[in-house]
Amino acid sequence: DQQVKQNSPSLSVQEGRISILNCDYTNSMFDYFLWYKKYPAEGPTFLISISSIKDKNEDGRFTVFLNKSAKHLSLHIVPSQPGDSAVYFCAAGAGNTGKLIFGQGTTLQVKP
Amino acid sequence: DTGVSQDPRHKITKRGQNVTFRCDPISEHNRLYWYRQTLGQGPEFLTYFQNEAQLEKSRLLSDRFSAERPKGSFSTLEIQRTEQGDSAMYLCASSGPGTGNNDSPLHFGNGTRLTVT
Repeated sequence: DQQVKQNSPSLSVQEGRISILNCDYTNSMFDYFLWYKKYPAEGPTFLISISSIKDKNEDGRFTVFLNKSAKHLSLHIVPSQPGDSAVYFCAAGAGNTGKLIFGQGTTLQVKP
Repeated sequence: DTGVSQDPRHKITKRGQNVTFRCDPISEHNRLYWYRQTLGQGPEFLTYFQNEAQLEKSRLLSDRFSAERPKGSFSTLEIQRTEQGDSAMYLCASSGPGTGNNDSPLHFGNGTRLTVT
């Protein structure tokens, strides 16, 4: 039962262009969502989050959009930089446990 | 803030042996989590502590797995009678008392990679 899904295993974009990573979820009880970035041989690093009461949150080059009716969220990175090349995980949580359900990840490659 | 520290980074063991991993969270964080990640998948929740109390355990955590956080600081995860299916990256994370969202996101260590031969 995959409650959080990232259907694109990989994405390749040119430096300076926009990267859009997508995530779908099935559990309507989720009330917050996060994106993590992971480099090889390192643990995931927190990027940005959004509460279910919002539809957009922005932090520098990173923007997360939430469409609750579609149970869909996306991460926009603009402009993309080669250092953004990593695996990106979408995660969702409910309540105040801090326990997160992760998607399978999308590998982003930003080409110079 | 020295981050979440995990030891060892790598562990190779033979099937049937017991292994123990250690996690030192960020010092002011009262919540500590264990996750497991296999190739091509995202991290899967195993268990979490608030201070020294273990508040939730996943069905993934069979009776061969035990986690402790005796003084509410570092934690250990022990796997008894290891099986080849236990081979994975074991990640530890910590957070403050918030809900794990933007105010208090989970901070992950670099993990312990277990290989069972």
